[in-house]
Amino acid sequence: GQQLNQSPQSMFIQEGEDVSMNCTSSSIFNTWLWYKQEPGEGPVLLIALYKAGELTSNGRLTAQFGITRKDSFLNISASIPSDVGIYFCAGGGYYGGATNKLIFGTGTLLAVQP
Amino acid sequence: DSGVTQTPKHLITATGQRVTLRCSPRSGDLSVYWYQQSLDQGLQFLIQYYNGEERAKGNILERFSAQQFPDLHSELNLSSLELGDSALYFCASSAGGGLNYEQYFGPGTRLTVT
Repeated sequence: GQQLNQSPQSMFIQEGEDVSMNCTSSSIFNTWLWYKQEPGEGPVLLIALYKAGELTSNGRLTAQFGITRKDSFLNISASIPSDVGIYFCAGGGYYGGATNKLIFGTGTLLAVQP
Repeated sequence: DSGVTQTPKHLITATGQRVTLRCSPRSGDLSVYWYQQSLDQGLQFLIQYYNGEERAKGNILERFSAQQFPDLHSELNLSSLELGDSALYFCASSAGGGLNYEQYFGPGTRLTVT
């Protein structure tokens, strides 16, 4: 199935460090979303972006919709142990695709050491 | 808590069998989406229903089918099960069928086929 490329694949950091991850695609999307998934649970929506160049924050999380519409970035500042999980990007509204259908990224595993 | 409920939480069954997974969307949401998550394929979109009608199809096998009932709950039927169907199955819901991509996920059903 189709997936977006996320990097890095995994990150192991110390508490208090800042984190950056990105998601790239060969297709243009109208929407980018970021989700976090913890073990045994469903993905939780963190941030939704609807406009190219848009920068949106949710607490310590900041995400950006790339100007080319083919990428998005997520930053987490001053990480804490509860930030641990897998972060997924998702693109929606790609040309030629079905309305509302989301294409998910491969995920970035974040581990935070206290 | 996203407001999306899924039952059962776990399901263990044998190859060749048929199972039904159930999902209740968030109150007021008209769209329901089904996803399959496996280690090698990531989160894959299967199918979307909007207000009882099929809206979009993804990588759903012919052995799988879904429907959305008048009360908006949805069921995903998996038949002639194979070992490779073992995965997490998530349901998500969103408010509309148009350009609203913000999907909220349930806790998932873990299916194990033995």
